[in-house]
Amino acid sequence: EAQVTQNPRYLITVTGKKLTVTCSQNMNHEYMSWYRQDPGLGLRQIYYSMNVEVTDKGDVPEGYKVSRKEKRNFPLILESPSPNQTSLYFCASSSPALNSYEQYFGPGTRLTVT
Amino acid sequence: GQQLNQSPQSMFIQEGEDVSMNCTSSSIFNTWLWYKQDPGEGPVLLIALYKAGELTSNGRLTAQFGITRKDSFLNISASIPSDVGIYFCAGLEGPTGNQFYFGTGTSLTVIP
Repeated sequence: EAQVTQNPRYLITVTGKKLTVTCSQNMNHEYMSWYRQDPGLGLRQIYYSMNVEVTDKGDVPEGYKVSRKEKRNFPLILESPSPNQTSLYFCASSSPALNSYEQYFGPGTRLTVT
Repeated sequence: GQQLNQSPQSMFIQEGEDVSMNCTSSSIFNTWLWYKQDPGEGPVLLIALYKAGELTSNGRLTAQFGITRKDSFLNISASIPSDVGIYFCAGLEGPTGNQFYFGTGTSLTVIP
């Protein structure tokens, strides 16, 4: 089954404690992306990656890092989380090489930073 | 950062009614996407539009890519209770843009 998976689904942590949210897709998609969703603001793009070892900042990259060492994985790293990073996070993937920017989303990770 | 203006913000309609929502931008986009999100789930793609003026249908859903490339519309005909959810538009800047921008969403409630 074609899918995007994220782990963990729920995470409560404390300020300053480094964390990683994993994202994996099994569709051989080149393009992967991370979003955060906050009430009244819709989805905002954090980082995206056009392919292995190619990453770019989205709209709200501050406080986040990403890496793309393998095509299927695109982890989101918060080196020193702060309460304003409490949000719902989504990973997505698509295949521009097939002329398709139709993004498929993971189930989401709800992060709370206290 | 850029944000798409999506309206209306919320809608309460009777089952069987038609629904229209739209999205506008100050920038030109070369791709428009429409998504639906159910509570606790990730957005699910409904319709993708790639050409100015394009009109595409998916069952009871019809979406159009505006001629100016700065807007898009989504219509739902004969609404049913399972249409309840939040609908998002998304635009991809072109011609070489790789960044997506999302609207703030339209919350749809269908009253049986």
